[in-house]
Amino acid sequence: GQQLNQSPQSMFIQEGEDVSMNCTSSSIFNTWLWYKQDPGEGPVLLIALYKAGELTSNGRLTAQFGITRKDSFLNISASIPSDVGIYFCAGTIIQGAQKLVFGQGTRLTINP
Amino acid sequence: ETGVTQSPTHLIKTRGQQVTLRCSSQSGHNTVSWYQQALGQGPQFIFQYYREEENGRGNFPPRFSGLQFPNYSSELNVNALELDDSALYLCASSLGGSSNQPQHFGDGTRLSIL
Repeated sequence: GQQLNQSPQSMFIQEGEDVSMNCTSSSIFNTWLWYKQDPGEGPVLLIALYKAGELTSNGRLTAQFGITRKDSFLNISASIPSDVGIYFCAGTIIQGAQKLVFGQGTRLTINP
Repeated sequence: ETGVTQSPTHLIKTRGQQVTLRCSSQSGHNTVSWYQQALGQGPQFIFQYYREEENGRGNFPPRFSGLQFPNYSSELNVNALELDDSALYLCASSLGGSSNQPQHFGDGTRLSIL
């Protein structure tokens, strides 16, 4: 089945640093999505990417849909304490239903 | 706040029992998807409901079943509960069935099987 490899699994950074994480797959996806999940809550959508090569920003977040449709990255600039959490990439497959395939997550910890 | 609400927030059951989880979709959304998230993992797709019919399913056995109602709310039913069913169950709503519209998640139901 389809799988996403997300890296790194965890990151420990200083406040103010930039962050980069990525997802790769052997499968092609229709869209790529990036979600953030805080403890006790569901994933919250950060950025949605619809076209190969697309580069999209949302405030300090920037994400790109790889040209091969098999990868994506997320960058966070000038990290702040509220950026702490688990970040998930998800690829969309349309097989009757719109199915999201998730990566394993990147846990971000920020030292003030 | 995504507008997707799930109930209950927590539930404890024993092996062999049955459980029903509920989800109200975001206003205007006609599609509901269910996911299982084990501890430390990403969510896994269970199935999706569109216009009151199941229109796609992941690798979950038939004891996982669901319903969607005319107001687009949905239920997830799990029969013959097993210890491995302990997880966070997430509901996501979206617009348009198999369209590319993004899915928005509720905060989940934490199910513990003893």
